[in-house]
Amino acid sequence: GAGVSQSPRYKVTKRGQDVTLRCDPISSHATLYWYQQALGQGPEFLTYFNYEAQPDKSGLPSDRFSAERPEGSISTLTIQRTEQRDSAMYRCASSLGGRKTQYFGPGTRLLVL
Amino acid sequence: SQQGEEDPQALSIQEGENATMNCSYKTSINNLQWYRQNSGRGLVHLILIRSNEREKHSGRLRVTLDTSKKSSSLLITASRAADTASYFCATDNQAGTALIFGKGTTLSVSS
Repeated sequence: GAGVSQSPRYKVTKRGQDVTLRCDPISSHATLYWYQQALGQGPEFLTYFNYEAQPDKSGLPSDRFSAERPEGSISTLTIQRTEQRDSAMYRCASSLGGRKTQYFGPGTRLLVL
Repeated sequence: SQQGEEDPQALSIQEGENATMNCSYKTSINNLQWYRQNSGRGLVHLILIRSNEREKHSGRLRVTLDTSKKSSSLLITASRAADTASYFCATDNQAGTALIFGKGTTLSVSS
């Protein structure tokens, strides 16, 4: 596609609910990243994929967070049993490979009430 | 944890003036990148400077890198209202598998 897209753009949920965020990367890009960005801060790395492989999950804050990229294209980030502290902007990026320029989507703003 | 620290945290200038933002980082790097984030929009890649480069230009942007001081600066010349945004520096983590961002500088350009 023309760029990285994410959906939904905004999500409001109640504490304890599960949410799933979606990322559609640039079609030729092998590598996909997820970041979490709190208000007033820079993005912080959560996890990344090379095609469908997920070599690094070290940034996921707890086991309530999981990500998938089953066919090496679209990815989803799922947060189970959401907590208020999960409220943030969740950003997806893709690149041709490691150490290449990352192109970011518009983000999903999550608000947990 | 965040690798880069931008300075200043906020900057307000008039249209036509130059804006300078600085970034310091902690570990050795392969390259350093600058991104812009407009309100309501995604992060846009501005420029990448490699560790063996000292200066790079792109339009009204000029980036310098001093690896001995572990610092970089972004200069925007002849600023415009449309330059109003947050600017972040980012470096690769050691494995080259993710970017590590600073907290950003918020630039406001008034006409």
